Amino acid sequence: GQQVMQIPQYQHVQEGEDFTTYCNSSTTLSNIQWYKQRPGGHPVFLIQLVKSGEVKKQKRLTFQFGEAKKNSSLHITATQTTDVGTYFCAAHGGTSYGKLTFGQGTILTVHP
Amino acid sequence: EPEVTQTPSHQVTQMGQEVILRCVPISNHLYFYWYRQILGQKVEFLVSFYNNEISEKSEIFDDQFSVERPDGSNFTLKIRSTKLEDSAMYFCASSAAVLAKNIQYFGAGTRLSVL
Repeated sequence: GQQVMQIPQYQHVQEGEDFTTYCNSSTTLSNIQWYKQRPGGHPVFLIQLVKSGEVKKQKRLTFQFGEAKKNSSLHITATQTTDVGTYFCAAHGGTSYGKLTFGQGTILTVHP
Repeated sequence: EPEVTQTPSHQVTQMGQEVILRCVPISNHLYFYWYRQILGQKVEFLVSFYNNEISEKSEIFDDQFSVERPDGSNFTLKIRSTKLEDSAMYFCASSAAVLAKNIQYFGAGTRLSVL
């Protein structure tokens, strides 16, 4: 079945440093979504990327979708302690009824 | 803002017992999902449900699992005979559409502990 690989598994940064997590698939994706899960919380939708090469920004967060639609990244500029949590990418299978395949997630800790 | 509601927040059960996890999806949504997350691991798809029937299920969703929409608002996941390895966080999600641009909204989850 479809697999989505996400790296790194953990990232520890000092407040103010940048952070990036990467997501890769062996197959072309119809779209990719990013979710944030706070410790003890549930996945919260951040954004969806659909077009090849698409770049979207949300304040300090920048999301990219690769030209081949097989990879994606989330970059946070100048991290804050409120950014802590696990960031998941999730691929929506083009032929399935809404099934999301999640990456393993990147756990971000931010030291003040 | 509308939200997906799940009850209970924590369920403790003995191995072999049946459990029912309950969800109230967002009211105008038509597509419903269950996912699970074993502690420290990724979120895994279990099943999707539309028009009163299962649309897709994963290999995790075996004969011990079933879903039901008993009325116009609730969506339930039943595990007939729980096993230790069923211990996980179970998330319900719903979406207004199933097309590629759908957004799934997740509930806060039910933590299932099988002893």
